Amino acid sequence: DTAVSQTPKYLVTQMGNDKSIKCEQNLGHDTMYWYKQDSKKFLKIMFSYNNKELIINETVPNRFSPKSPDKAHLNLHINSLELGDSAVYFCASSQRAEAFFGQGTRLTVV
Amino acid sequence: GNSVTQMEGPVTLSEEAFLTINCTYTATGYPSLFWYVQYPGEGLQLLLKATKADDKGSNKGFEATYRKETTSFHLEKGSVQVSDSAVYFCALTLNRDDKIIFGKGTRLHILP
Repeated sequence: DTAVSQTPKYLVTQMGNDKSIKCEQNLGHDTMYWYKQDSKKFLKIMFSYNNKELIINETVPNRFSPKSPDKAHLNLHINSLELGDSAVYFCASSQRAEAFFGQGTRLTVV
Repeated sequence: GNSVTQMEGPVTLSEEAFLTINCTYTATGYPSLFWYVQYPGEGLQLLLKATKADDKGSNKGFEATYRKETTSFHLEKGSVQVSDSAVYFCALTLNRDDKIIFGKGTRLHILP
């Protein structure tokens, strides 16, 4: 019973393509996040949703668009992928400030 | 603004050595403080937390005490194991559902 699951785990794609990463949590949390982790392991928040509403949108290119169909899901769609988008993307959910993370999606843009 | 600063890594120790990873924070209010651990190939998982001054969080032999006077939350373990090799992140949050602010992470490598 995975608490926060994201798919796919690995994604290799060419520059210019559009791709999506899906995230689902079965913890009943109201808040979900997307983080980007670069090659140096630095974690940067991208978006946060609370009960399907966007509450945090950090400085992220508008090629990145989150979608929350319901409070258990927060998907990330990326248009016109660039080499610099290569990273590990983590989905997380939280309740009372404690976060639970998915396993990550390693995106490689070639 | 709110931020977390933790010691740069990598930190390399021998098994059974004493570990300290320093973490200090800047916050406009009264944050909750956390240590997360990321094992190779996995997502982050909560290691321990403290929600108010002088609280001590502990788990798996790791401890950290919330020091308001020094705005610190240093992670310690008395005797590390090879299995503790991972990246450790100090973090804070100010509100229940506000964003979690992470430090840059410290990679720990334990030699057998």
